Amino acid sequence: GAVVSQHPSRVICKSGTSVKIECRSLDFQATTMFWYRQFPKQSLMLMATSNEGSKATYEQGVEKDKFLINHASLTLSTLTVTSAHPEDSSFYICSGGGTVNTEAFFGQGTRLTVV
Amino acid sequence: AQSVTQPDIHITVSEGASLELRCNYSYGATPYLFWYVQSPGQGLQLLLKYFSGDTLVQGIKGFEAEFKRSQSSFNLRKPSVHWSDAAEYFCAVGRGSTLGRLYFGRGTQLTVWP
Repeated sequence: GAVVSQHPSRVICKSGTSVKIECRSLDFQATTMFWYRQFPKQSLMLMATSNEGSKATYEQGVEKDKFLINHASLTLSTLTVTSAHPEDSSFYICSGGGTVNTEAFFGQGTRLTVV
Repeated sequence: AQSVTQPDIHITVSEGASLELRCNYSYGATPYLFWYVQSPGQGLQLLLKYFSGDTLVQGIKGFEAEFKRSQSSFNLRKPSVHWSDAAEYFCAVGRGSTLGRLYFGRGTQLTVWP
């Protein structure tokens, strides 16, 4: 299957700062990428759909000003958690692909801890 | 509204025993169905998928799943579990026409006793 790389795998930041997470499709072009959030012992919740060259589409209840998504190229989408707070601590996972006929491929995830 | 239910939060089986993980979905149209496995601290690996056709689908690592429309189910099975199968298993339903927007179940944690 196709490869999606996510970086960093772990990050610790201070409350009030911002942190950027990168999601790259290594061997295919991803016009669309998806960002999920996973709380401990819970399922993955779709946060937003990232569209190359246009604005992201956010799911209901997700603060778009807190979770900034940029998809500037066909192989890179970034999620920036702005003014992070401890409640933003979570496991964030991106995926690429997921078109009409192909499944999505997931990155390894990023463990964010806000202290 | 679409939803995915995995009724078993945690399952424990002995190595070599058979396994069945349950998944029920609620979706208005013909669903696209997936099973993913997640090892600790890792991303998701696709085990198998159902789009259409044969309702019994084969996946990687010896897993299979059967789509039963009448029961709105897509249960995952494996005839003989290995210790390395211990992980979290997620059932997911594709939302709409693109397969990247997924509804996930809450997951089933599998423990394998030696």
